[in-house]
Order: sequence, then structure tokens, then C-alpha cells
Amino acid sequence: DIQMTQSPSSLSASVGDRVTITCRASQGISNYLAWFQQKPGKAPKSLIYAASNLQSGVPSKFSGSGSGTDFTLTISSLQPEDFATYYCQQQNSYPLTFGGGTKVESK
Amino acid sequence: EVQLVESGGGLVQPGGSLRLSCAASGFSISDHYIDWVRQAPGKGLEWVGRSRNKANSYTTEYAASVKGRFTISRDDSKNSLYLQMNSLKTDDTAVYYCARAYCNNINCLGIDYWGQGTLVTVSS
Repeated sequence: DIQMTQSPSSLSASVGDRVTITCRASQGISNYLAWFQQKPGKAPKSLIYAASNLQSGVPSKFSGSGSGTDFTLTISSLQPEDFATYYCQQQNSYPLTFGGGTKVESK
Repeated sequence: EVQLVESGGGLVQPGGSLRLSCAASGFSISDHYIDWVRQAPGKGLEWVGRSRNKANSYTTEYAASVKGRFTISRDDSKNSLYLQMNSLKTDDTAVYYCARAYCNNINCLGIDYWGQGTLVTVSS
């Protein structure tokens, strides 16, 4: 199975900060990587597919990059509605696997 | 508007069975891969299984933790997907989400829509 490791597991940031979350795959997954945002008590929301493509309706402050084993999700200017937990998921091979999540909290 | 609505969750004893439903609207499930994803209380997301579309003969994939106990099926006439869960364990306690996979003709690249989830509690 492909292990997905996210770092950090949590971070504290302020409104307006640039935030970067890293996701590392235990083996190469090309660009078959998706990112999701989840707020407490809510279903996940899809942000990015194929490593760097925004889902429809997702604001451009979110961006994704990477290929192979190393990927990043960047929020260019953190807003109050962005405090949440973020997950990566590989779609390269079964079983599909998620990273452990990164909780973005207010500093 | 694309919507996925799960139902069927509840309290069940260890060893028992439960069937979850995922009713889709705004699209035809026969054209799409559909996933089940779960989240135990206070924990992260865990992929449970996938049902491929009609063009790929509705074949399925499962996580090792549920293989042999859970079965995904479909009723295209109702535009609905089901997760039959047997031999339930306390570790299966979670919110269960159905989600539409975002795929091109060759590969799946992510998930584009999620349901709101249904809670399954396995306890005596």
C-alpha cells in the first residue's frame, strides 16, 4: 500500500499568511493526487485534482504542485474561512489512501 | 445540481449488519465511479471502496479492512448506490460518506462531489 505522509500535522497561522502543507507518497504516484478541506462536523470539500488543478468553484488562493512523491498545497493569503483540516489522497493505485491531515488553526 | 444523499446509518450490535444507501441526483450514476469513504470519531478519512461505472462493468475495489465483509452494489433505475456491511465490528464506527470520483477516460484524478454522510455506530 502507498503511505501518504502529511506535514505538519497542525500549524498556527494568521489571516493574510501564506500557508504551505506538504504531502509525501511512499512511492511515485505521478500526478494522481487530490486535496480536500474539511471543517468540523461537515463533509469534506474537494479543492484540487491531479495535483495542481482546481475543482470548479474553488478560489484561486488555493494552489497545488508536485509530481512523483512530493506535493504541496498552498493558500496564498489565509482567510478566516480557511481554518480547517486539509487532507491529501493518492488516486494512483488501490487501496486509495489519505494522508493523516493537517489542521490549520488561528494563531 | 449534483447531489449525493446518504441514509441508513444507525446503531447496530457487533456482528450485525447494516445497509447504507447513497441516492444521487443531477447526474446518472451509471456514468461515474462512486467511492465510499469513512471517518471514525476524531480521526482522519479512510477510503472504504469503489464501484466503477457501467462502461467498466461496475467492478469494485475494497480496502483490506472491509474486504469480505462489505459489498457495494447499485440500482441504476433508482440512481442509487448501496454499501452492505456485514460482520460489523466496533472499529467500523464512523461517519460514512459516498463521493463521486472525478475520472477521465483513462484514470481517476480525484473526487468532485461528496454526500453529507451518515453515522454508523457499532456497540453493544
